[in-house]
Amino acid sequence: GIQVEQSPPDLILQEGANSTLRCNFSDSVNNLQWFHQNPWGQLINLFYIPSGTKQNGRLSATTVATERYSLLYISSSQTTDSGVYFCAVLNAGGTSYGKLTFGQGTILTVHP
Amino acid sequence: DGGITQSPKYLFRKEGQNVTLSCEQNLNHDAMYWYRQDPGQGLRLIYYSQIVNDFQKGDIAEGYSVSREKKESFPLTVTSAQKNPTAFYLCASTQFLGTKNIQYFGAGTRLSVL
Repeated sequence: GIQVEQSPPDLILQEGANSTLRCNFSDSVNNLQWFHQNPWGQLINLFYIPSGTKQNGRLSATTVATERYSLLYISSSQTTDSGVYFCAVLNAGGTSYGKLTFGQGTILTVHP
Repeated sequence: DGGITQSPKYLFRKEGQNVTLSCEQNLNHDAMYWYRQDPGQGLRLIYYSQIVNDFQKGDIAEGYSVSREKKESFPLTVTSAQKNPTAFYLCASTQFLGTKNIQYFGAGTRLSVL
């Protein structure tokens, strides 16, 4: 099956810093989503971005499908950005409709 | 409010006991999913259902069972055959729009073994 690798596994920032999280995937995809899991475990959708670039406030994401990677940018980080960021993909050649494959996540800690 | 409700938030299982985790959605979504998350790990798919009265095994279905009798509900039973059930369980749902399958998640249930 498709492999999803996220880097870095851990990231520690001072409030106000910028960061870039990366997601590499091993096969073509027709669906890619970024999620934020808060310290209480709730997963929040950040972006649906199978290709191109999107921005939402301090967050933006870019997916280069032909090169099989996606980037999540966090600018002017805040303590509330802390948590785990997951990338999840749907293999374009897969037969299991809607079956997302998740990466292992990047643990982000933002200190005041 | 529209959303996905999981209950209970915390659950304890005794040796040899079956326990059932509830997942209800009022988003009118067709498909529902159950994931397991272990500490420091990503999410792994247990079961999913695209329509009522139909469901498929995911990657780690052994020791679990599900039913889908109503569109709104997708309960997960952790059976006594699941030898390592301690984990965080997440339910999700989606409305298929071609390949634009955006999954929305409940708040999760933390299951521990007594």
